[in-house]
Amino acid sequence: AQTVTQSQPEMSVQEAETVTLSCTYDTSESDYYLFWYKQPPSRQMILVIRQEAYKQQNATENRFSVNFQKAAKSFSLKISDSQLGDAAMYFCAYRSAENTPLVFGKGTRLSVIA
Amino acid sequence: DAGVIQSPRHEVTEMGQEVTLRCKPISGHDYLFWYRQTMMRGLELLIYFNNNVPIDDSGMPEDRFSAKMPNASFSTLKIQPSEPRDSAVYFCASSLHRGPAIETQYFGPGTRLLVL
Repeated sequence: AQTVTQSQPEMSVQEAETVTLSCTYDTSESDYYLFWYKQPPSRQMILVIRQEAYKQQNATENRFSVNFQKAAKSFSLKISDSQLGDAAMYFCAYRSAENTPLVFGKGTRLSVIA
Repeated sequence: DAGVIQSPRHEVTEMGQEVTLRCKPISGHDYLFWYRQTMMRGLELLIYFNNNVPIDDSGMPEDRFSAKMPNASFSTLKIQPSEPRDSAVYFCASSLHRGPAIETQYFGPGTRLLVL
């Protein structure tokens, strides 16, 4: 079974600075998808960014980018120019190409310091 | 689009009572998922449907839990009888299968359930 590990339960960053959240996963499959979801205090799960495993190019969405290392099974999220609104729980998630449910990591709580 | 709609947003009930959670997926989506979030277990899949048919219910904790999807625009998750350990946030999510294209799951706002 696939597993997703987020080794940083909590992180903090100064406003306007850059922070990287780590995620590793375990799978024997070659084709899959990876996601980062943000969960603010409202509990809403918001998609931040997604990556197809067959794509070598790292995904980017405005201030959010990923460092996808397929051989190392690593999928880190970089947040540039951090804003107070970025404070939230961040979940890394894996989805097999064959099976659609998401497998989530335990999450990283990000605090942004003004 | 209104997004995934869940009701109620909050539910407080007493142990032994029946609880019904409701979900309306995004129009046109053919996959629907029910997840549960707790402090101890994190986010875990309970059950998911494809074209209204349950595909995998192995995550359903026990017989007290049941889920239905009578049509493409409505699903329910029922707990009978409820127990304090069922207290959690229950999320519904939907996605659209488009062949090799990525299929992002869009989540509803969740139902926060408290069983006293």
